[in-house]
Amino acid sequence: DVKVTQSSRYLVKRTGEKVFLECVQDMDHENMFWYRQDPGLGLRLIYFSYDVKMKEKGDIPEGYSVSREKKERFSLILESASTNQTSMYLCASSLDRTSGNTIYFGEGSWLTVV
Amino acid sequence: AQSVSQHNHHVILSEAASLELGCNYSYGGTVNLFWYVQYPGQHLQLLLKYFSGDPLVKGIKGFEAEFIKSKFSFNLRKPSVQWSDTAEYFCAVNPKAAGNKLTFGGGTRVLVKP
Repeated sequence: DVKVTQSSRYLVKRTGEKVFLECVQDMDHENMFWYRQDPGLGLRLIYFSYDVKMKEKGDIPEGYSVSREKKERFSLILESASTNQTSMYLCASSLDRTSGNTIYFGEGSWLTVV
Repeated sequence: AQSVSQHNHHVILSEAASLELGCNYSYGGTVNLFWYVQYPGQHLQLLLKYFSGDPLVKGIKGFEAEFIKSKFSFNLRKPSVQWSDTAEYFCAVNPKAAGNKLTFGGGTRVLVKP
């Protein structure tokens, strides 16, 4: 089974702090994604990456950046956390960029910014 | 840009009742369609997907969905629900021209009363 592991399940950070959310997948997938999940809004794509050191903006990239230095690891960075970034963050991966490939999700990281 | 609309935010029903969740999308080209489920405390899992061919697709746990191209709909059904079907359900669309990115609907929370 594909395993997508998010290192932190629950975090509480202060406004203005720099926040790192880490994600690792163990199936040698090329694609990795970061989504945020909010009630009533579903999942919205923040950033994705098709390869090491490559990144593309999703639908809501403002206030976020990402890093992919190794194929198995994809980090989401909040340079200066704000209260409106309180949310559930989901990391995901898929084999490659072929349309329709199944996307596998991690268990999520609950971030509260106070 | 494509969008996905799920008509019901919350559904409450009793065990053995039938379930139908509506999903409509807006996109002019060809798409792949998905339903994901998120059980309480668990990661998002794929229920079923439609790529082409028979518009009636069967998934895991007795779920099925029907693609009606003329209505841009992909409704999810289950004839007889169980308490264990309590979860949040997400419809998602992947335009075939957009690589492997998913756009999700807002989700429907389903509560099955024992």
